[in-house]
Amino acid sequence: DSGVTQTPKHLITATGQRVTLRCSPRSGDLSVYWYQQSLDQGLQFLIQYYNGEERAKGNILERFSAQQFPDLHSELNLSSLELGDSALYFCASSPQAGRGSYNEQFFGPGTRLTVL
Amino acid sequence: AQSVTQLDSQVPVFEEAPVELRCNYSSSVSVYLFWYVQYPNQGLQLLLKYLSGSTLVKGINGFEAEFNKSQTSFHLRKPSVHISDTAEYFCAVSDPWNTDKLIFGTGTRLQVFP
Repeated sequence: DSGVTQTPKHLITATGQRVTLRCSPRSGDLSVYWYQQSLDQGLQFLIQYYNGEERAKGNILERFSAQQFPDLHSELNLSSLELGDSALYFCASSPQAGRGSYNEQFFGPGTRLTVL
Repeated sequence: AQSVTQLDSQVPVFEEAPVELRCNYSSSVSVYLFWYVQYPNQGLQLLLKYLSGSTLVKGINGFEAEFNKSQTSFHLRKPSVHISDTAEYFCAVSDPWNTDKLIFGTGTRLQVFP
């Protein structure tokens, strides 16, 4: 158990809908990351937040957005869902964030999203 | 841009046999290198990492990896595998402009048979 929790574990929805995935980082971790794991794209970095502010962006679609709240939990919002958005979404956390230094990321168990 | 290539999508092996999972990366600057393991229905767990120093890195569960700068490789090895090592293994490299951003390979499925 990494200490990172994600809810829900599974989510089934229809095309065009909007969903919210939630992540609670390890106690004391200030940085949160979101990753998408899909069959065709593999494991991709989406976005990083540090202490409530966006830190880095990866291959995140405009239909997707995220935020980190004052209590440091994070939410990933996916809207206008398409079949291709079906994937496993991982959250990870690390104590700090810093360019050029190493911050070990601890991964949650993931949320499996199925879009029908 | 950095990229990671895992040459084998699947590696079948018998229990107690040695195994090597191959990983090559492309980068013109120094990067950090990682191997993660994903057991069924679980998140990713860090096996080992190379940040600097000794090119032979030892990790958890008896795994080790060797960083080879000239061949831009970071192959993962274990001298004797167990059934419990059956999992998906991901090689990753850090983005040199933001070392928190990890770029993953496509994964190698290690299947250990009795």
